[in-house]
Amino acid sequence: LAKTTQPISMDSYEGQEVNITCSHNNIATNDYITWYQQFPSQGPRFIIQGYKTKVTNEVASLFIPADRKSSTLSLPRVSLSDTAVYYCLVGDMDGLLSGSARQLTFGSGTQLTVLP
Amino acid sequence: DAGVIQSPRHEVTEMGQEVTLRCKPISGHDYLFWYRQTMMRGLELLIYFNNNVPIDDSGMPEDRFSAKMPNASFSTLKIQPSEPRDSAVYFCASSLSGGGADTQYFGPGTRLTVL
Repeated sequence: LAKTTQPISMDSYEGQEVNITCSHNNIATNDYITWYQQFPSQGPRFIIQGYKTKVTNEVASLFIPADRKSSTLSLPRVSLSDTAVYYCLVGDMDGLLSGSARQLTFGSGTQLTVLP
Repeated sequence: DAGVIQSPRHEVTEMGQEVTLRCKPISGHDYLFWYRQTMMRGLELLIYFNNNVPIDDSGMPEDRFSAKMPNASFSTLKIQPSEPRDSAVYFCASSLSGGGADTQYFGPGTRLTVL
């Protein structure tokens, strides 16, 4: 199982870039890396997903080194509204049919607090 | 699309009562997941379905919990009898399989309080 490890919490100030790193030493060849964001009283929301190297969308970037044993979510110029819990998830949809959903474990996530 | 729909949004019941939570996944999605979230245990996967068939229910805490998916647009999670320790937020999520990547779309959740 590709268990993930993230920092429990991080603080930042408005306008700064925030990098959250997730360790997944046992990642499998077919696994993708997905990051979710959760605000209080809401369900997790997809942010970004990648397999290797770098992925960028309108809200974040995801950096994945060649060995894929870790990944870094980068949030540029955070604002107060980015205060949330961020989860790193490693898994493979094809594996779900064999009942390997244990890999889709959200873990404890990283509480990001953006200060004014 | 309206996204994943869950009902009710809030449920308060007394110990021993039956509780039924409902979920309507996004149309066309072939995976459906039920999660439970508490402060102590975080987000736990309870059960998931593929094409209405339960694939893995090893996360269901005990026999008091059961889940069904009678068709592609509806699923229920039932707790009978309910206990105070079942108090949590229950999320339903759906996903579209396409090989490789997973992106789950979560509903707003049902906050369950068992007195």
